[in-house]
Amino acid sequence: GIQVEQSPPDLILQEGANSTLRCNFSDSVNNLQWFHQNPWGQLINLFYIPSGTKQNGRLSATTVATERYSLLYISSSQTTDSGVYFCAVEDGNKLVFGAGTILRVKS
Amino acid sequence: DGGITQSPKYLFRKEGQNVTLSCEQNLNHDAMYWYRQDPGQGLRLIYYSQIVNDFQKGDIAEGYSVSREKKESFPLTVTSAQKNPTAFYLCASSIRRDKNIQYFGAGTRLSVL
Repeated sequence: GIQVEQSPPDLILQEGANSTLRCNFSDSVNNLQWFHQNPWGQLINLFYIPSGTKQNGRLSATTVATERYSLLYISSSQTTDSGVYFCAVEDGNKLVFGAGTILRVKS
Repeated sequence: DGGITQSPKYLFRKEGQNVTLSCEQNLNHDAMYWYRQDPGQGLRLIYYSQIVNDFQKGDIAEGYSVSREKKESFPLTVTSAQKNPTAFYLCASSIRRDKNIQYFGAGTRLSVL
């Protein structure tokens, strides 16, 4: 099956700083999603981005499908951005999740 | 409001006991999924169902069972055969024809007494 690796595993930012999270995957995919899990456990879908670039407010994502990676950019980070960010790719009928990046934003 | 409701929020299981986690959605989604999350790890798929009365095993189905008698409901039973059930359980749903974008419930934390 497809392997998904995320980096870095942990990231600590000062409020206002920018960051880049990376997701590498082992095979070509038609579906890649980024999720944010808040400290209470709720997962929210941030982007559906099998290729190209999308932006939503302070967040943007880019997937380079031919090179098998995706990047999530967070600009002007806020404490509410804290949590775990997951990348997931589709393998058959199911999503395969990476181990996540734990982000802590300090005020 | 449309969404996915998981209950209970917290659940405790005694040795040898079966427990059932509830997942209900009113989004009219075709597909539903159960995931297990252990501390510091990603989500692992337990079972999924793409239509009523049909479901498939995921990567870690041993010790779990499911049913899909109604489109809106996909309960998960953690059986006594699951020797390490303590985890955070998440239910999700998606419209299969819509790129399998998954929407998640708030989760159930299961602990062993």
